[in-house]
Amino acid sequence: AQSVTQLGSHVSVSEGALVLLRCNYSSSVPPYLFWYVQYPNQGLQLLLKYTSAATLVKGINGFEAEFKKSETSFHLTKPSAHMSDAAEYFCAVSDNQGGKLIFGQGTELSVKP
Amino acid sequence: DTGVSQNPRHKITKRGQNVTFRCDPISEHNRLYWYRQTLGQGPEFLTYFQNEAQLEKSRLLSDRFSAERPKGSFSTLEIQRTEQGDSAMYLCASSLGPGYSPLHFGNGTRLTVT
Repeated sequence: AQSVTQLGSHVSVSEGALVLLRCNYSSSVPPYLFWYVQYPNQGLQLLLKYTSAATLVKGINGFEAEFKKSETSFHLTKPSAHMSDAAEYFCAVSDNQGGKLIFGQGTELSVKP
Repeated sequence: DTGVSQNPRHKITKRGQNVTFRCDPISEHNRLYWYRQTLGQGPEFLTYFQNEAQLEKSRLLSDRFSAERPKGSFSTLEIQRTEQGDSAMYLCASSLGPGYSPLHFGNGTRLTVT
């Protein structure tokens, strides 16, 4: 069965520093992978998605993620953190029937001034 | 694209009462999903519809939970005989199609069972 594991429930960076949020997946078929962001008391917003077209995926707000099949990873990065990036980030994989998304536990990103 | 709309935003109920939530998806989206999210956790899948057909329901979902999507438009999620453990954020999402189609989420309904 498909699953995702997000390493680190909480990540803290300084403003202007590199952001790296880790996600590893398990899938018996080529996966569709997603990163979502959630601000307090709001729903989830799509940051980016991987659908096998390119291994480096660019998303909104300067985020990008690289699909590495050999490492079964799909880590999210941003070169320079901004205070407005503080939020909860979720990695997700589509199940192998092309139905629901399966989410990781989430990583809370804090940005220090 | 007016987004996914969920009502109410907040619901406080006493244990044992029934509650019903409504979700209005993006109009052209044929798939509609319900998830539950507790504090500090990722969204947990409950059920999803393609048009009016309920295609999958989580095995973890109690029989007290039921969802409908009449006519393939809006959906309702009902919880009967609520328990304190049902307190959570209930999220609705819709999409254009399967698998690779991203989900568009509403802002959720926060349920508190006292």
